[in-house]
Parts: sequence; C-alpha cells; structure tokens
Amino acid sequence: SAVISQKPSRDICQRGTSLTIQCQVDSQVTMMFWYRQQPGQSLTLIATANQGSEATYESGFVIDKFPISRPNLTFSTLTVSNMSPEDSSIYLCSVWDGFNYGYTFGSGTRLTVV
Amino acid sequence: AQRVTQPEKLLSVFKGAPVELKCNYSYSGSPELFWYVQYSRQRLQLLLRHISRESIKGFTADLNKGETSFHLKKPFAQEEDSAMYYCALGDTDKLIFGTGTRLQVFP
Repeated sequence: SAVISQKPSRDICQRGTSLTIQCQVDSQVTMMFWYRQQPGQSLTLIATANQGSEATYESGFVIDKFPISRPNLTFSTLTVSNMSPEDSSIYLCSVWDGFNYGYTFGSGTRLTVV
Repeated sequence: AQRVTQPEKLLSVFKGAPVELKCNYSYSGSPELFWYVQYSRQRLQLLLRHISRESIKGFTADLNKGETSFHLKKPFAQEEDSAMYYCALGDTDKLIFGTGTRLQVFP
C-alpha cells in the first residue's frame, strides 16, 4: 500500500500564527484528502486536493483559513491560518490507494494552539 | 443527508467474548461502507470494506440495506483487538466517518 509521510507530527503554536503541514506519498496519486479530528470527535473532511486544480472545500471550510497546495502527484500541503485555540485538532492526510487498500491515512499532525 | 452513526462510545468485553460494534448509515444511493481501526499510537488503517466480503483478523461485517446497518462482529475477542473503531461511508470520493467506538478487551 501507499506510504504517507506527514510532517510535523505535532506542534504547539501561538494564536494568530499559521502552520503548514506537509504530506508526502511514495507513489503518484490523483486525489489527496485533508481531514480534521477535533478532540473527542470524529474525522471531518476539510478539502480534496487534485493536482493542477484548486482544492475543493467542504461546507464550513474556506480557502482563506485552510489554503492547500498540490504542486505534483506525490505532495500536498495544508496551512492552518490565523490560528485560534479552536483549531487545536489532529489533521490527517489521506489518499485513495486502490481497491485492495481503500483510503490510506498519514499518521496525523497534532496541533495545539495556545 | 449522508450520515454514519455509531451509538456506542465505549464497548468493554472480556477476552473470548463475542463482540458487535454497531454502525448505522443514512445514504440515498448505493452505499460503500468501510471499517477503519486505530490501535494505540498507530495510524488509522482499513480493517475491511463491504465490497470485499472478507474476514480480517476474525472480524466480519455484513451490509444490511433493509436496516441500513453495517455492524462489525467477531465471535471471540482478543486483547490485541483493543482499539478505536470507525465506521465510514464512501460518498463520491470522500469518506464520512462515524464518531467511533473504543473497544476494550480485558484479560
């Protein structure tokens, strides 16, 4: 199955600052997905990132707050902008890894905003 | 609206006991359903999907369209099954997750 490397694994950030999370896949994939998991809650899709086009955001998420880059078929970044304590969550990258493996997930980035 | 419901936050059983983790869904089309598992300090990983009709680590799940359910079952729980289990619904290239059930298997 695809191997996803996500960086950083965790960070503590000051409110008002921004953090960029990187997701690297060891194979070329068409679609990459960014999820958020708030404390004690389930995973919620933030956006879908296709190479060569603008990311598609889910209801409740906007590009100004969560800009996404997808420069090639193996890499994507998610930026959490102008952070507040409510942004404290685990952010996960995911790819569709074919019929046998389904969606594969990165190990996540645990973000704490103070 | 598409939705996945896992009614139990925590399920505790003793080793060797049967396990059933409940999952109900709401979806207007033909659903594609998954069970994902997250062991302590590990990443989320696919356990099984209804299309495969496989048994993974002794777990099975049958899609019941009449009851809109996709419950996860195992006849004899093992301690190493202790983990967080998420039911998920595939919806046009994305996943909608339930809130998860933590399974604790005591020795």
